[in-house]
Amino acid sequence: GAGVSQSPSNKVTEKGKDVELRCDPISGHTALYWYRQSLGQGLEFLIYFQGNSAPDKSGLPSDRFSAERTGGSVSTLTIQRTQQEDSAVYLCASGSRGFQETQYFGPGTRLLVL
Amino acid sequence: AQSVAQPEDQVNVAEGNPLTVKCTYSVSGNPYLFWYVQYPNRGLQFLLKYITGDNLVKGSYGFEAEFNKSQTSFHLKKPSALVSDSALYFCAVRDPGSARQLTFGSGTQLTVLP
Repeated sequence: GAGVSQSPSNKVTEKGKDVELRCDPISGHTALYWYRQSLGQGLEFLIYFQGNSAPDKSGLPSDRFSAERTGGSVSTLTIQRTQQEDSAVYLCASGSRGFQETQYFGPGTRLLVL
Repeated sequence: AQSVAQPEDQVNVAEGNPLTVKCTYSVSGNPYLFWYVQYPNRGLQFLLKYITGDNLVKGSYGFEAEFNKSQTSFHLKKPSALVSDSALYFCAVRDPGSARQLTFGSGTQLTVLP
């Protein structure tokens, strides 16, 4: 079956603009994760969704970041009033078997804030 | 808290020689450990994981890793390196008692020289 897909693959925006990043998980996967990969910070966890439970937002760096997951499938990560330090690759992953699950990653969205 | 260390930013090895990429971890309970590989401008690709059982785990593309509880290590190995193995390798850990998200090491750039 298809893997995790993300769109757009690249996004260039101006400082202060809002951006939306989309993730389509593997069909049937109940868990969905967002991570950020940047040169200075490595790979860092942002937010986690599991089924219909309240998301774990503990990794979101500021209130400019938010995410939602509609119908237990597609997720959108929104960054408001983007800053240059938001420039990074945003990776989405999905998984299906609880704590022993393997997380499968999408190709990422490369965000550049000018 | 969970953490991972990859002490080497860069590993160079000649094609045909064995390779080792080092990883040590810290968790409060029994760890779940993972290795991922990232090729340029691509997402993370799963290689192998240790959950329980045999300390030697075999994964994709001839890679294996050995879980050593006393040394809190999970080094990635391959008996004979290929030029195509050149990529960025990430070790990750999850403490099943406390978190669903993965905590990643800083990554090791492996270069296999022809």
